[in-house]
Amino acid sequence: AQSVTQLGSHVSVSEGALVLLRCNYSSSVPPYLFWYVQYPNQGLQLLLKYTTGATLVKGINGFEAEFKKSETSFHLTKPSAHMSDAAEYFCAHRRGGSNYKLTFGKGTLLTVNP
Amino acid sequence: KAGVTQTPRYLIKTRGQQVTLSCSPISGHRSVSWYQQTPGQGLQFLFEYFSETQRNKGNFPGRFSGRQFSNSRSEMNVSTLELGDSALYLCASSLAGGGGTDTQYFGPGTRLTVL
Repeated sequence: AQSVTQLGSHVSVSEGALVLLRCNYSSSVPPYLFWYVQYPNQGLQLLLKYTTGATLVKGINGFEAEFKKSETSFHLTKPSAHMSDAAEYFCAHRRGGSNYKLTFGKGTLLTVNP
Repeated sequence: KAGVTQTPRYLIKTRGQQVTLSCSPISGHRSVSWYQQTPGQGLQFLFEYFSETQRNKGNFPGRFSGRQFSNSRSEMNVSTLELGDSALYLCASSLAGGGGTDTQYFGPGTRLTVL
């Protein structure tokens, strides 16, 4: 069964510091991978996705992620954190084809300190 | 384009009652998926509908059901509500135009509280 593991349920950084949120997946087939962000009392907003092609994926709000097949990882980074980045971040995996089921990690709450 | 809309946004029910939640996908999107989000279990897939047919299903009891109409709008129903059904229910839509690489866009969710 496919699964997604997010290391660290809570990450705290200072404003201007590097943001690194970790995600590892397990899958027997090439995956589609996603990062979503959720602000309080809101739904999920797509930050970026990897389907095929370039392994370094750029998303919105300055975030990017790199798909590393050898490490089964898809970590999310941002060079300089902003106060507005404080939210919960979810990594998700999809098998592809006609199966639209997303399997989510448990989420990482990002706190940005002034 | 308008995003995914869900109604109602908040709902309070008592145990044993039933509830119906509604989701209107982005115009032109044909696939609608439903997820349950709770603090303990996180985000869990309920089911996905495409062209009025349930195409994929998660591991939830039969009390959870859904349907999709010809205009792609979807409803989910929970019968005989239990306290553990209290959750944020999220709907997501996608084009489902083939190839499978398209993105799922989420609505704001319906917050269900069961007393």
